[in-house]
Amino acid sequence: AAGVIQSPRHLIKEKRETATLKCYPIPRHDTVYWYQQGPGQDPQFLISFYEKMQSDKGSIPDRFSAQQFSDYHSELNMSSLELGDSALYFCASSFEGASSPLHFGNGTRLTVT
Amino acid sequence: ILNVEQSPQSLHVQEGDSTNFTCSFPSSNFYALHWYRWETAKSPEALFVMTLNGDEKKKGRISATLNTKEGYSYLYIKGSQPEDSATYLCAFKYDAGGTSYGKLTFGQGTILTVHP
Repeated sequence: AAGVIQSPRHLIKEKRETATLKCYPIPRHDTVYWYQQGPGQDPQFLISFYEKMQSDKGSIPDRFSAQQFSDYHSELNMSSLELGDSALYFCASSFEGASSPLHFGNGTRLTVT
Repeated sequence: ILNVEQSPQSLHVQEGDSTNFTCSFPSSNFYALHWYRWETAKSPEALFVMTLNGDEKKKGRISATLNTKEGYSYLYIKGSQPEDSATYLCAFKYDAGGTSYGKLTFGQGTILTVHP
């Protein structure tokens, strides 16, 4: 069965650079979530989209932006990267409203040096 | 800010032991409570989604109960095996009113280590 696909798997950037993370949800899922997990921390919600519109926003820095495109894939854009942005970034998709679990991608590990 | 708390933070058991851990969440505006298993180097995998007070779910040796009035859920593992070693995350979703639902807020997880 198709799963959530994230790319790239690993990304190394320098401080003040820009990074773009991509997420391809499971076909027909209408909701995409982005989570950030720092070392030794629980996943922190960043932002979510329902039917290509932003549905909720968490602790996402102003330097980050995200969008969901017409084909339902989503991109998380991160600018002016800081060392503290080094983390595992998960994307998950689901059906909204129903008792649908989240299906997670394998994550993108971002390292900022 | 929603508080979703899990206890204990970590747990070491011997193979064959039964164990349980707790997830506490707000008791108002409840919509759903999720449990996920997160193994090292893998992505979180859904175990249960629970929506009704008194709900009990079972999957093999793992089961979960839900009390929405007092705001807690228990996850039980019967006869733990080394392959059960993982971080177990619970996540709470609230009813924002109408047809809106809040984001899924995760607890910090319980790290289970099962020793052979």
